[in-house]
Amino acid sequence: GAVVSQHPSRVICKSGTSVKIECRSLDFQATTMFWYRQFPKKSLMLMATSNEGSKATYEQGVEKDKFLINHASLTLSTLTVTSAHPEDSSFYICSARYTGTSRIYTEQFFGPGTRLTVL
Amino acid sequence: AQSVTQPDIHITVSEGASLELRCNYSYGATPYLFWYVQSPGQGLQLLLKYFSGDTLVQGIKGFEAEFKRSQSSFNLRKPSVHWSDAAEYFCAVVSMNRDDKIIFGKGTRLHILP
Repeated sequence: GAVVSQHPSRVICKSGTSVKIECRSLDFQATTMFWYRQFPKKSLMLMATSNEGSKATYEQGVEKDKFLINHASLTLSTLTVTSAHPEDSSFYICSARYTGTSRIYTEQFFGPGTRLTVL
Repeated sequence: AQSVTQPDIHITVSEGASLELRCNYSYGATPYLFWYVQSPGQGLQLLLKYFSGDTLVQGIKGFEAEFKRSQSSFNLRKPSVHWSDAAEYFCAVVSMNRDDKIIFGKGTRLHILP
């Protein structure tokens, strides 16, 4: 299957700093990427959907100024956690898929996740 | 609205025993269904998926799942579990509300007894 990578896999930062997480589709062009957040022992919560070349669509309750998403190319999306605080500590997972012109559903491929710890 | 219910938060089975993880969905039309597995600190790995056709779906690692429309279920099964199967399992359905988002169940943690 298709491969999605995330970088870094782990990051520790001080409160108030910003952290950027990259999500890359390695062997396909991802017109749509999704960002999820997972709290310990919890399910995945969709944060936002990004389509290449357009603004991300955020889920209700997700602060768009806090979690900046950029999908500048067909193989790269970035999530920047701005002015991070300890409550932003979490496991962040991205997924990617190719959306063709047809309405046939194409599955999402998930990255390995990024563990963010804010001190 | 679509939803996925995994009624068991934790399941414990002995190594070598059979396994069934339950999943029920709420959806008006034929759903696209998935089972994912997540090891601690890792991302999601797709075990199997159902889009259409044969209602018994074979997946990786010896897993299978059966789509039962009458019961709105998509239970995951494995005839003989291995210690390496200990992980979190998520059932998921695609939202066909013109956005194709995935809706996850809350997960079932599988523990394996030696």
